[in-house]
Amino acid sequence: DAKTTQPNSMESNEEEPVHLPCNHSTISGTDYIHWYRQLPSQGPEYVIHGLTSNVNNRMASLAIAEDRKSSTLILHRATLRDAAVYYCILVGLYDKVIFGPGTSLSVIP
Amino acid sequence: DVKVTQSSRYLVKRTGEKVFLECVQDMDHENMFWYRQDPGLGLRLIYFSYDVKMKEKGDIPEGYSVSREKKERFSLILESASTNQTSMYLCASSLFGGRSMNTEAFFGQGTRLTVV
Repeated sequence: DAKTTQPNSMESNEEEPVHLPCNHSTISGTDYIHWYRQLPSQGPEYVIHGLTSNVNNRMASLAIAEDRKSSTLILHRATLRDAAVYYCILVGLYDKVIFGPGTSLSVIP
Repeated sequence: DVKVTQSSRYLVKRTGEKVFLECVQDMDHENMFWYRQDPGLGLRLIYFSYDVKMKEKGDIPEGYSVSREKKERFSLILESASTNQTSMYLCASSLFGGRSMNTEAFFGQGTRLTVV
């Protein structure tokens, strides 16, 4: 079973920030939080990951709650190209990597 | 540029056929994965491998087997294809899932298999 829960779908206007939430209340101390996205007709691609501290890269930011039971992927300015399914997953040392259904993000021009 | 390459983008096979899906990565990754993706179900793990000749069952291994004779190649085998195995199959490789947690996974473009 997926160890994360995400909303099924979200909408955003183009050029506005998007906050994609993820709950992972059973996260263990050694689990990393990873985000992937899947554009139509493509395989998933890596977005960002973190352990405890907030992370930034050229694609997005990851805000991790202090208790690590939830996290938020932040796209600072949504573009039409950001319309995709976003997956939040937990990656442990020896665990199988399981993808849940993800959040389908629509971007409105 | 790093790559995970799946041998076919589209494949049509008949019920009962033995089907081979091939995946090759050029990043010297130890870990490789096979997923299937169906509408409304997300990605489901079939098998993974963390070393040559090593394999572990995922969540839905029934009806599938795998082979990893070389580090760069991970094959998924459908012993006797059935219509309920019609799906998108995705291969991935990474350093995580086994020994290293702090890296990303790379996915192939997928193989859309139709069993008729």
